[in-house]
Amino acid sequence: DAMVIQNPRYQVTQFGKPVTLSCSQTLNHNVMYWYQQKSSQAPKLLFHYYDKDFNNEADTPDNFQSRRPNTSFCFLDIRSPGLGDAAMYLCATSRDNRGGAKNIQYFGAGTRLSVL
Amino acid sequence: KQEVTQIPAALSVPEGENLVLNCSFTDSAIYNLQWFRQDPGKGLTSLLLIQSSQREQTSGRLNASLDKSSGRSTLYIAASQPGDSATYLCAVQSGGSYIPTFGRGTSLIVHP
Repeated sequence: DAMVIQNPRYQVTQFGKPVTLSCSQTLNHNVMYWYQQKSSQAPKLLFHYYDKDFNNEADTPDNFQSRRPNTSFCFLDIRSPGLGDAAMYLCATSRDNRGGAKNIQYFGAGTRLSVL
Repeated sequence: KQEVTQIPAALSVPEGENLVLNCSFTDSAIYNLQWFRQDPGKGLTSLLLIQSSQREQTSGRLNASLDKSSGRSTLYIAASQPGDSATYLCAVQSGGSYIPTFGRGTSLIVHP
């Protein structure tokens, strides 16, 4: 059974039209991460939550926002998508964010975002 | 700032070959290193996690080694199969933030 679930798998939006991607987890993990991955590139961390504490990467554009209403769910909001935001968006979780086995990351299947 | 490099970027081998994928990192003060598999258009699946105190980890036909002093890890795949075709990424956890740094991956094709 999938432990990290992302919806939808594919999302098409129009230039400038807000879009929300969803991630849920059944692992009861403390940490949830959002990554952006473009073709043949490494996943790029946008932000992560440790419980309710939000941690934004310094180079994440303001156009990207996130919400974590409870332990199980985390959302990625793109306020005004541009053509350059078309990518795969990956959600991951880990039990903890300290060193060692507790930081094994579990990924969802991803959401492929297209911007027209 | 930690940097992770994976060589080669792409690899094509016939079925049955044993092969080695390489991952190098610039800051040897790591907490752990994780190898992932990514199928086209899919998320990442964790294969192996090596703690900084460990030298290697094994799972089935996969063996990952870690040499912190030289900043290297290798993923050894024995008796490769077409089903092994995927992109393999390594990620290193280091520094105060504990956030993993990913390499770009090695795209592997195993042809029958």
